[in-house]
Amino acid sequence: EAGVTQFPSHSVIEKGQTVTLRCDPISGHDNLYWYRRVMGKEIKFLLHFVKESKQDESGMPNNRFLAERTGGTYSTLKVQPAELEDSGVYFCASSSLAGDSYEQYFGPGTRLTVT
Amino acid sequence: QKEVEQNSGPLSVPEGAIASLNCTYSDRVSQSFFWYRQYSGKSPELIMSIYSNGDKEDGRFTAQLNKASQYVSLLIRDSQPSDSATYLCAVGGLGGGTSYGKLTFGQGTILTVHP
Repeated sequence: EAGVTQFPSHSVIEKGQTVTLRCDPISGHDNLYWYRRVMGKEIKFLLHFVKESKQDESGMPNNRFLAERTGGTYSTLKVQPAELEDSGVYFCASSSLAGDSYEQYFGPGTRLTVT
Repeated sequence: QKEVEQNSGPLSVPEGAIASLNCTYSDRVSQSFFWYRQYSGKSPELIMSIYSNGDKEDGRFTAQLNKASQYVSLLIRDSQPSDSATYLCAVGGLGGGTSYGKLTFGQGTILTVHP
């Protein structure tokens, strides 16, 4: 079974540019999450999709971040315009809806550097 | 006070010893607790989940949960050099409500197992 995949693995952009990150969850997982780790800090939650609907977007830092999950499959996270403080590693995770288990499996992450 | 706190590291143990990692959390509503292992430059890997008070064992790993004390721990028996990594405590659903899927992470404890 393929795990969570993310693209690209690295992205270097200039301040003010736009970047779109993609996440493909484990097949059949209805729950999809985005997290971010900035340098020296703990991993922070951004948002949670259930299928194509946003269940919880309480962690989104501001309106420069836009997440979508068309058709309840893959998800994209767009940052527009990027700022220096957006640099970090963006992780995607997925989980099934089986019972009360919310075991989340993480992708390899996208390292974003804003210069 | 941080929502999820882990014992400060780094933690160094000799090969074959028991490594003990501790975590406290702030919210009594939380119902799900996870331990992740993260190797340098890699994504978090789920190693244990626990939902009920008491102990849960899986191979060399034992997770312990005490909801009254808001405390969760991970014991690694017969520690191996390959166990050297950062261990992340994650608590699910802090705050309850629509945030049931959200994981709140501690800052991590670096474990080194020396031969």
